[in-house]
Amino acid sequence: DADVTQTPRNRITKTGKRIMLECSQTKGHDRMYWYRQDPGLGLRLIYYSFDVKDINKGEISDGYSVSRQAQAKFSLSLESAIPNQTALYFCATSDAGDRVEKLFFGSGTQLSVL
Amino acid sequence: GENVEQHPSTLSVQEGDSAVIKCTYSDSASNYFPWYKQELGKGPQLIIDIRSNVGEKKDQRIAVTLNKTAKHFSLHITETQPEDSAVYFCAARLAAGNKLTFGGGTRVLVKP
Repeated sequence: DADVTQTPRNRITKTGKRIMLECSQTKGHDRMYWYRQDPGLGLRLIYYSFDVKDINKGEISDGYSVSRQAQAKFSLSLESAIPNQTALYFCATSDAGDRVEKLFFGSGTQLSVL
Repeated sequence: GENVEQHPSTLSVQEGDSAVIKCTYSDSASNYFPWYKQELGKGPQLIIDIRSNVGEKKDQRIAVTLNKTAKHFSLHITETQPEDSAVYFCAARLAAGNKLTFGGGTRVLVKP
């Protein structure tokens, strides 16, 4: 089983719809992240959480919200989806005790907003 | 904040040849520089990293070099193989920060 699991793997939705992407992990890591990948723009940080009661905005948080339901679960919501939110979304985890805080990524959710 | 630029955006090499990807960063306070490899349909995976107190690091066929004065670092892949075909991302992290800033990615194609 994957250590970092994202659901769904693919999603097509319409403009204005609310959508939730889910992430769960079995690595026991405290830190979780949501990234967005667009061609030529690399990976950009949307939100991150260092523990259950900690939520922080990343560089592109507008139009998104998150919920850290438990140490192992971190969900990303698009309140009212728009076409330029079409992208590949990755959840990642890291261990705060790791000196370099290596990121462990899920397999991604491809989201298309029509 | 930190800004990382990565070149080239695509790279095609013949199997057995070397591949080099270059990144520049803007903030001299950055002290940690990892490289991630993303295979088709998968999430990125860390393949090698370097800290600012080291100039070069090798791991089998891959190596990373860092020039702090010029604020650039490079990934070198020698004796490329078809399984090296992937998208590669460089990243940088500020010494006082805890977030990575990624470059735009390089799609590497190794032709048999």
